[in-house]
Amino acid sequence: QQQVKQSPQSLIVQKGGISIINCAYENTAFDYFPWYQQFPGKGPALLIAIRPDVSEKKEGRFTISFNKSAKQFSLHIMDSQPGDSATYFCAAQAAGNKLTFGGGTRVLVKP
Amino acid sequence: DTEVTQTPKHLVMGMTNKKSLKCEQHMGHRAMYWYKQKAKKPPELMFVYSYEKLSINESVPSRFSPECPNSSLLNLHLHALQPEDSALYLCASSQDTTLIKLFFGSGTQLSVL
Repeated sequence: QQQVKQSPQSLIVQKGGISIINCAYENTAFDYFPWYQQFPGKGPALLIAIRPDVSEKKEGRFTISFNKSAKQFSLHIMDSQPGDSATYFCAAQAAGNKLTFGGGTRVLVKP
Repeated sequence: DTEVTQTPKHLVMGMTNKKSLKCEQHMGHRAMYWYKQKAKKPPELMFVYSYEKLSINESVPSRFSPECPNSSLLNLHLHALQPEDSALYLCASSQDTTLIKLFFGSGTQLSVL
């Protein structure tokens, strides 16, 4: 059972554009929502994370928006750059339990 | 040092071979993980060690055998693997398992012939 649904599966955006990736979850016990970025041949790396007590968190060009009532959260990449081309995974965790990953989104930023 | 080091980077083995994957971290993290990742898929949890004790085994076949010799090292022993076990094997660590902030290694790309 996929507890975190991620969309789209792939995304093409022009340099300077905004990339938007969405995730939805079912388990209301989830209280930690990280995003991971993975380049080819590398392991995933933690990009940014949010707890449900805030609706938005921004770090540089990366912003997480969180909607607790809709059980949805999203990653926005502002001013997308070719170096942002990677696969992005959302994830969710209930404290003390394992991390559950979404299916992943392959982002390609065209110059 | 915020690195998780995995060796080897690539491994080709036959179905009758025995091999081991190694992982090391020096961040003082007390939780270590093995994940399996197929192409275009998310990492799939295999094992979790917390304070050097196996705390999660995600029903992994016995041909995969984890070992945690100390708080910095994690091994995955492989024996009699199947071609469908070919994948990227990722080691990760986190400070603990309360709120998991994973630091991943670059993985071992395993091919089973």
